[in-house]
Amino acid sequence: EAGVAQSPRYKIIEKRQSVAFWCNPISGHATLYWYQQILGQGPKLLIQFQNNGVVDDSQLPKDRFSAERLKGVDSTLKIQPAKLEDSAVYLCASSPKSSGYNEQFFGPGTRLTVL
Amino acid sequence: ELKVEQNPLFLSMQEGKNYTIYCNYSTTSDRLYWYRQDPGKSLESLFVLLSNGAVKQEGRLMASLDTKARLSTLHITAAVHDLSATYFCAVGGAGSYQLTFGKGTKLSVIP
Repeated sequence: EAGVAQSPRYKIIEKRQSVAFWCNPISGHATLYWYQQILGQGPKLLIQFQNNGVVDDSQLPKDRFSAERLKGVDSTLKIQPAKLEDSAVYLCASSPKSSGYNEQFFGPGTRLTVL
Repeated sequence: ELKVEQNPLFLSMQEGKNYTIYCNYSTTSDRLYWYRQDPGKSLESLFVLLSNGAVKQEGRLMASLDTKARLSTLHITAAVHDLSATYFCAVGGAGSYQLTFGKGTKLSVIP
């Protein structure tokens, strides 16, 4: 079974530029998550989708971050404009709707550096 | 707001020794996870603990959950270098899909 795919793996941009990340979850997984992991910390949930609907985006800085999952499969996370403090690893995870305990499977992440 | 605290944050131990990592959380939860993260890699699921008194073991790692004390432990037996990694606990809020992660424990096993 293929895992969660993310691209790009690395991205370096200057502050005030825009950037987008892509995630393809495990086939058949209805729930998709985006996390931000700042160096030395645990992942923090940014947004959660169930199919193509948003379940929780309470910790997403909506003035600069946006995310979509138009067809209930792939998802993109965008930052516009980027700030220095956005430097982090952005992790995508997915879980099967049928899972009683909602185990999450993580992708390899995208490491963003904002200069 | 659910808070998750891990300790220690850094752990250096000799091969062959035993040690325990602690994970405390602040509010009622119905599930707790332990993940491993190697440098530059993503998170790998180790254990899922769903009920009070749950104990799971895999190789040299054993995880347990005490929901009354809101405490989980990850016990390392006879550590080997391959166990060097950062270990995270993550707690699910009751009735919610959300996971709240601890800051992680960076384990270094020294020959």
